[in-house]
Amino acid sequence: EAGVAQSPRYKIIEKRQSVAFWCNPISGHATLYWYQQILGQGPKLLIQFQNNGVVDDSQLPKDRFSAERLKGVDSTLKIQPAKLEDSAVYLCASSLVTSGSLNEQFFGPGTRLTVL
Amino acid sequence: AQSVAQPEDQVNVAEGNPLTVKCTYSVSGNPYLFWYVQYPNRGLQFLLKYITGDNLVKGSYGFEAEFNKSQTSFHLKKPSALVSDSALYFCAVRVLTDSWGKLQFGAGTQVVVTP
Repeated sequence: EAGVAQSPRYKIIEKRQSVAFWCNPISGHATLYWYQQILGQGPKLLIQFQNNGVVDDSQLPKDRFSAERLKGVDSTLKIQPAKLEDSAVYLCASSLVTSGSLNEQFFGPGTRLTVL
Repeated sequence: AQSVAQPEDQVNVAEGNPLTVKCTYSVSGNPYLFWYVQYPNRGLQFLLKYITGDNLVKGSYGFEAEFNKSQTSFHLKKPSALVSDSALYFCAVRVLTDSWGKLQFGAGTQVVVTP
């Protein structure tokens, strides 16, 4: 079974530039998550999709971050404009889930973003 | 607020010795607890979870965790550590703020197993 795919693996940009990350979840997984993992911290949920609908984006900085999952499969996360504090690893995860499910999440390898 | 705490930034253990990684939780209602491991330059991998039932939960790679309600703890254990167990370990709790829930992760514990 193929895992969660993410690209690019690494990205270096200057502040105020824009950047986009791509995620392809495990086939058949209805729920997709984007996390931000700052060095020395645990992952923090940015946004959660159920199929192509957003169910939780309470911790997404909406003035600069956006995400979409138009066809309920692949997803993109965008930052525009980037700030120095956005330097982190961005993890995508997916799970077989319906409301209230406690299934485990499967994570991709992440995209390491460095903002200079 | 629901949260987990991992009191140790790093745990050092010699290969062959028992390994314990500590986690305590604070939740209202029933706790749903998870352990994940992260190897360098890789995503998190699921190890085990506690939902209900036996307090001793067995997981992947020989790991197990003991749920202790009175001490609000969910420590991860392995009887005999391997060098390959060196990684970053995260405890997480499912936060049921609404019908969907989300994972709240601890800060992580770096495990270093020396030959």
